Amino acid sequence: DVKVTQSSRYLVKRTGEKVFLECVQDMDHENMFWYRQDPGLGLRLIYFSYDVKMKEKGDIPEGYSVSREKKERFSLILESASTNQTSMYLCASIPAGTGSSYEQYFGPGTRLTVT
Amino acid sequence: AQSVSQHNHHVILSEAASLELGCNYSYGGTVNLFWYVQYPGQHLQLLLKYFSGDPLVKGIKGFEAEFIKSKFSFNLRKPSVQWSDTAEYFCAVNARSGAGSYQLTFGKGTKLSVIP
Repeated sequence: DVKVTQSSRYLVKRTGEKVFLECVQDMDHENMFWYRQDPGLGLRLIYFSYDVKMKEKGDIPEGYSVSREKKERFSLILESASTNQTSMYLCASIPAGTGSSYEQYFGPGTRLTVT
Repeated sequence: AQSVSQHNHHVILSEAASLELGCNYSYGGTVNLFWYVQYPGQHLQLLLKYFSGDPLVKGIKGFEAEFIKSKFSFNLRKPSVQWSDTAEYFCAVNARSGAGSYQLTFGKGTKLSVIP
């Protein structure tokens, strides 16, 4: 059974803190994605990675960075958290070479609150 | 870059009413289209997808969608909704990004509330 897990379901951090959100998939997928989901804005792509140590900016990368040291793990980093980064963060993965018709598998999400 | 537009932010229906959620996309090349659903407190899950072939696609739980290429549309339909269909629905388009890899772009979502 396909599985994408995220390290925390709920997280509360203070402004200026460095925040790490972890995502792990057990499906040997090459491609991994980080989105944020906000009411009325849908899902917006922050970063994605198509291989270990490879990354590409999505639509809203500002204020975020990512790390992909191992194939199964993709981390999202907020270098200095701000209140406008309060959101639901979703991780997803997809195998390479399957074409664009393949569905993305999503994790349960991390609801981050920055106070 | 591709974009996806969902026409309705919030739809409220009574049980047994018919449903149609609009989705339009902008991208000139070959696309693959998806509808995802997110039930309250749950993961996003795939409802149905269009890859090629028959433009009328059937998904889970009695949902279907029709791809109309000339209108750049991929509307979601269900003839008779149930209370359990209360959820948020997202249309998504998968197309090549500027970097040459595939990127999934989501619409803003439509919240469906079904009243018993």
